[in-house]
Formats: sequence, structure tokens, C-alpha cells
Amino acid sequence: KAGVTQTPRYLIKTRGQQVTLSCSPISGHRSVSWYQQTPGQGLQFLFEYFSETQRNKGNFPGRFSGRQFSNSRSEMNVSTLELGDSALYLCASSRSSPGLGANVLTFGAGSRLTVL
Amino acid sequence: KNEVEQSPQNLTAQEGEFITINCSYSVGISALHWLQQHPGGGIVSLFMLSSGKKKHGRLIATINIQEKHSSLHITASHPRDSAVYICAVRPSGGGADGLTFGKGTHLIIQP
Repeated sequence: KAGVTQTPRYLIKTRGQQVTLSCSPISGHRSVSWYQQTPGQGLQFLFEYFSETQRNKGNFPGRFSGRQFSNSRSEMNVSTLELGDSALYLCASSRSSPGLGANVLTFGAGSRLTVL
Repeated sequence: KNEVEQSPQNLTAQEGEFITINCSYSVGISALHWLQQHPGGGIVSLFMLSSGKKKHGRLIATINIQEKHSSLHITASHPRDSAVYICAVRPSGGGADGLTFGKGTHLIIQP
């Protein structure tokens, strides 16, 4: 079966612009979570959605937002881009609600954002 | 604040050696994940643990909930095991916290 699909894989933006990243989960998975990975900070949790509701949110400014659609696909948006937003953005999907804890994650290949 | 510490940060070993990577965390958790990331970025989930021990092929993961510690072992290591191994925990208590990650262990297995 198809894995987690993230688009676009690579993109270059300039400061002040906005960007939207997409994540299509594995069929049947209803939970999608997003992560930012940078060389300096490593992996950091952004937010988590289940059944179109944001269940958890990491410690990121309000410029970072997301949503989940009825087909479980998710998008994240970053507005007013800063140089420090350059990162690999990863999403992961799982079958059950995040609160259950025991959820195996399947990661997408990531979207690599460069802000100039 | 939930903190996850991994050791060692870097490890170089010879093919065939037994490898141990450690992970310590500071809060109660509902689950601990071991992840593998190869150059190029793709992350694979190796194990998810809430207690005890799991084994998959040459990989073994253990967790001690009372001591807030987990280990990932690789037996008969091979150059293809070279990757970054990342520990991640989900706090318990039903709060609004997602995963907290360790900084990763860079493993190089030389032939």
C-alpha cells in the first residue's frame, strides 16, 4: 500500500513569503503529525491532528498553522517566512488518536524548505 | 519540561560489533519510539515501546519505566546499519504534548 506522501519535496522561498506543505497519510490512518528538523535543534514537534481536530501543538509561533481535511490529508502553512524557517518538514501518520500513546508512526520523506 | 538525552552522540564501530545506544527521559511517558534516519532524510520507525523488550531481526529495544531509560541494541552490526538513531517519547497524562526527541546518535559501522 502507498506510504505517506509529502509535497512538494523541495522548495525555495524568500523572506516574507508564505508556504503551504501537504501530507497525504496512509489509507486508513486518521492521525497526522508534523515535525521540523534543523541541524541546530534536531527534530521538534509542530502539531498533531486527528479527525480534523488539532489535538496537540508544539512551541512554535502563530506563523505556523495547519489543518486536516475530512479525507485525513493535512496541510501546514508558514506565513511571513524567516531565514530560520529553513528546515526539513516531516509529517507522520498513524491509525489511532494520539492520546492513546501506543501509535506506530509512518513518516513521509519530508519537504525541504530553503528560505533566502 | 520534558527532556530526552541520548548517548553516545557519535559512535564508530567495526562490522560485527554489538552496539548499544541509550536514551534517558525526565517525565512519565505513555510510549517511547526508536527511529532510524539515513542520509537524505527519510525516517523509519524501528520500535514503539511502553514496557519490556521488543526484538526485530538484529535489533533489540528495551525500556525500564521506573528508571526512565531505554536502550537500543544492534547485534552483528553491518555497514548498512550506519544511520542516525533517534529516541522520542510521548508524555503520559493525556495532556496536549506531542513527541519530544533526543538529539540522535550518529552511528558509523566500518567494514
